[in-house]
Amino acid sequence: GAVVSQHPSRVICKSGTSVKIECRSLDFQATTMFWYRQFPKQSLMLMATSNEGSKATYEQGVEKDKFLINHASLTLSTLTVTSAHPEDSSFYICSAMRGDQETQYFGPGTRLLVL
Amino acid sequence: SQQGEEDPQALSIQEGENATMNCSYKTSINNLQWYRQNSGRGLVHLILIRSNEREKHSGRLRVTLDTSKKSSSLLITASRAADTASYFCATDETGANSKLTFGKGITLSVRP
Repeated sequence: GAVVSQHPSRVICKSGTSVKIECRSLDFQATTMFWYRQFPKQSLMLMATSNEGSKATYEQGVEKDKFLINHASLTLSTLTVTSAHPEDSSFYICSAMRGDQETQYFGPGTRLLVL
Repeated sequence: SQQGEEDPQALSIQEGENATMNCSYKTSINNLQWYRQNSGRGLVHLILIRSNEREKHSGRLRVTLDTSKKSSSLLITASRAADTASYFCATDETGANSKLTFGKGITLSVRP
């Protein structure tokens, strides 16, 4: 149990376009989902916390108008990178938590390359 | 700033040897978790140790936590080539609403 998927696994887009990444908890209901960003050979940096049915809470320095997060159901959260630029190229990873547990279950990540 | 700081940053050992990785942190925590990441992949949860626990075992993994020193160690016994990966500690800080703060990670290479 506790499987989290992400789609797409890899995306290449042109500068200025928007990209949507989906994060799904496949076999459990996730009251909270988290979005992280990871640059090559670096650690994970938390971008935002998403609770079902409410607005996401963004970490300091993360632009909420650029990284739109929607947590419309207990099994799906989406991250939309709007007007993407080359510096947004990164590995984006989501995680999901059940309400009664302490463990975050991570998706396989989405590699974004903006040309 | 990074809450968790692992050391060493890189570790290379022979298959069959034990690997010990350390993590230090700065604030009060609810729990500390260790994760593994293979290159270009997502994270796999290895083990969680709560602030009132001192040691935990899971298969070939042994984790210790010393809250007085704000440090944790992850021991992998009888390492295998398949253990080659990056390992991260992550802290669930008190009052942080389950947000995890990750360390920089340790790259473990196990030579066959």
